[in-house]
Amino acid sequence: SQKIEQNSEALNIQEGKTATLTCNYTNYSPAYLQWYRQDPGRGPVFLLLIRENEKEKRKERLKVTFDTTLKQSLFHITASQPADSATYLCAPAHTDKLIFGTGTRLQVFP
Amino acid sequence: DAGVIQSPRHEVTEMGQEVTLRCKPISGHDYLFWYRQTMMRGLELLIYFNNNVPIDDSGMPEDRFSAKMPNASFSTLKIQPSEPRDSAVYFCASSLVLAYSGELFFGEGSRLTVL
Repeated sequence: SQKIEQNSEALNIQEGKTATLTCNYTNYSPAYLQWYRQDPGRGPVFLLLIRENEKEKRKERLKVTFDTTLKQSLFHITASQPADSATYLCAPAHTDKLIFGTGTRLQVFP
Repeated sequence: DAGVIQSPRHEVTEMGQEVTLRCKPISGHDYLFWYRQTMMRGLELLIYFNNNVPIDDSGMPEDRFSAKMPNASFSTLKIQPSEPRDSAVYFCASSLVLAYSGELFFGEGSRLTVL
């Protein structure tokens, strides 16, 4: 069955540094992959979508890469701020559905 | 637009009781999804609808769960009878296009606690 792995350990970084989150998937080949942000007590909010034929996608301080050979996506936040503290979910698509990872909690401290 | 609206935000009930969760999707969105989130299993897709028709309910855990979409602006997820292991946050989401190719808009969730 499809499996998605995100680092379950929280990532703690200092303000101004680049945060890098990893998403690995196995047993399938998604044509699309999405990233969402979730704050405590709130629903997930869409950030970025990347297609299998795109190696990299950027949006402001966010950058996502998609390596179909390694079966991995990396999510980068440059010049991180305390307001970026949240849980980040990756969701590689399987056929007509998104399958979500359990997320990585990012904590940016001043 | 007000976004996806879910009710109730919190529900505490006793084992064996019927629970009904409600969702109003964003107007004009053709797809509606019900997800369940727990610490152990993360976000799991339960069922999704296209134009009010259930397309895939393979994620519904068992016959105690049922979902309906009587019209384009309303959907319900019902659990009868409820059990403690159903405790979770239930999210409704809607989208213009099929999930994988476009963004999902999530509601704020309904936190269910079954005692």
